[in-house]
Amino acid sequence: DGGITQSPKYLFRKEGQNVTLSCEQNLNHDAMYWYRQDPGQGLRLIYYSQIVNDFQKGDIAEGYSVSREKKESFPLTVTSAQKNPTAFYLCASSRQESSYNEQFFGPGTRLTVL
Amino acid sequence: DAKTTQPNSMESNEEEPVHLPCNHSTISGTDYIHWYRQLPSQGPEYVIHGLTSNVNNRMASLAIAEDRKSSTLILHRATLRDAAVYYCILRDGQGAQKLVFGQGTRLTINP
Repeated sequence: DGGITQSPKYLFRKEGQNVTLSCEQNLNHDAMYWYRQDPGQGLRLIYYSQIVNDFQKGDIAEGYSVSREKKESFPLTVTSAQKNPTAFYLCASSRQESSYNEQFFGPGTRLTVL
Repeated sequence: DAKTTQPNSMESNEEEPVHLPCNHSTISGTDYIHWYRQLPSQGPEYVIHGLTSNVNNRMASLAIAEDRKSSTLILHRATLRDAAVYYCILRDGQGAQKLVFGQGTRLTINP
């Protein structure tokens, strides 16, 4: 079945450690995105990528980094510079970046920094 | 990005229609109206989108006001599985790069 996978579902890390969240899609989509969601809030865009080896900052990129070495993969690293990393992280993809192509979301990774 | 306004919460009964309103008075001529919903502890899923005309799909209908300053998502016969947060989002047809999520409307369905 085609879709987006994120792993792990739950992740615990100590403060000051970098952590990388996985996102893989087999939908052959060009564009991929990372969002962050805090309790009771809407999603906020961290980074997005329209093609391999290219990505742009979203609204809250500070303290995060990404890579897009393969079309199907878009890992997100939460660095120790991120002040409040505990959140629900969602990855999405779409066929082609345009205003009318729907985004498909993964199940999310819930990160807790202790 | 143009802003949308939705009620924080709504409640309805199972098997009844639900009308979820969205105001977008600053919408531009090239903005598409998108609706997504998010079930508890899951990622959002696409529901429907439109530009000017009313739209129907297997999940819902979208009614767009003639002046496009508001729209209504219609669930024709709500089930318990429709309980979710519903987001109304405007996307620029001329190349916007992201979905801008507000706080959405939390829909509760009573059995």
